[in-house]
Amino acid sequence: KAGVTQTPRYLIKTRGQQVTLSCSPISGHRSVSWYQQTPGQGLQFLFEYFSETQRNKGNFPGRFSGRQFSNSRSEMNVSTLELGDSALYLCASSLVGSNTGELFFGEGSRLTVL
Amino acid sequence: AQKVTQAQTEISVVEKEDVTLDCVYETRDTTYYLFWYKQPPSGELVFLIRRNSFDEQNEISGRYSWNFQKSTSSFNFTITASQVVDSAVYFCALSEAYSGNTPLVFGKGTRLSVIA
Repeated sequence: KAGVTQTPRYLIKTRGQQVTLSCSPISGHRSVSWYQQTPGQGLQFLFEYFSETQRNKGNFPGRFSGRQFSNSRSEMNVSTLELGDSALYLCASSLVGSNTGELFFGEGSRLTVL
Repeated sequence: AQKVTQAQTEISVVEKEDVTLDCVYETRDTTYYLFWYKQPPSGELVFLIRRNSFDEQNEISGRYSWNFQKSTSSFNFTITASQVVDSAVYFCALSEAYSGNTPLVFGKGTRLSVIA
């Protein structure tokens, strides 16, 4: 079966712009989680959505937001980009909640902010 | 608060050597889950194993084995007879089952390089 698909894979933005990243989970998975990965901070949890409801949110500023659609596809948005937002953004889906189940990750969207 | 420490930042071994990746965790919950994930150069993390806190049995899967010791709060991962394809970043992770849907917390990862 198809895996988790993230688009775009690579993108370059400038400070102050905004960006929207998309994630299509594995068919039948209702939980989608987002993580930010940087060399300095490692993998940091952004948020989790389950059946269109935000279930949990990490310690990120309000510039980071997300949503989930009825087909479980999810998007995350970062507004007013800063240099420090440059990172690999990983999406993961799971059948049950992300804290107990196996997570299936996409290959990520690599964002560079200039 | 939950925390995962992977003290080894980078390890380099020669092919066919055995290698152990260390993972130490902190949690106040009595019920929790431990995970290992592998991140190859392509970027996506790949699930390797999940363990719950009530199951301290060691597990072996081919060349991979895991040693879970609650007494030392450790969940170490050993690769026997390493191969070049094992080169990747390995992450240990923890989630607490009864602390209100807390998300997975990852360690900083250990980069393993297996040299031919």
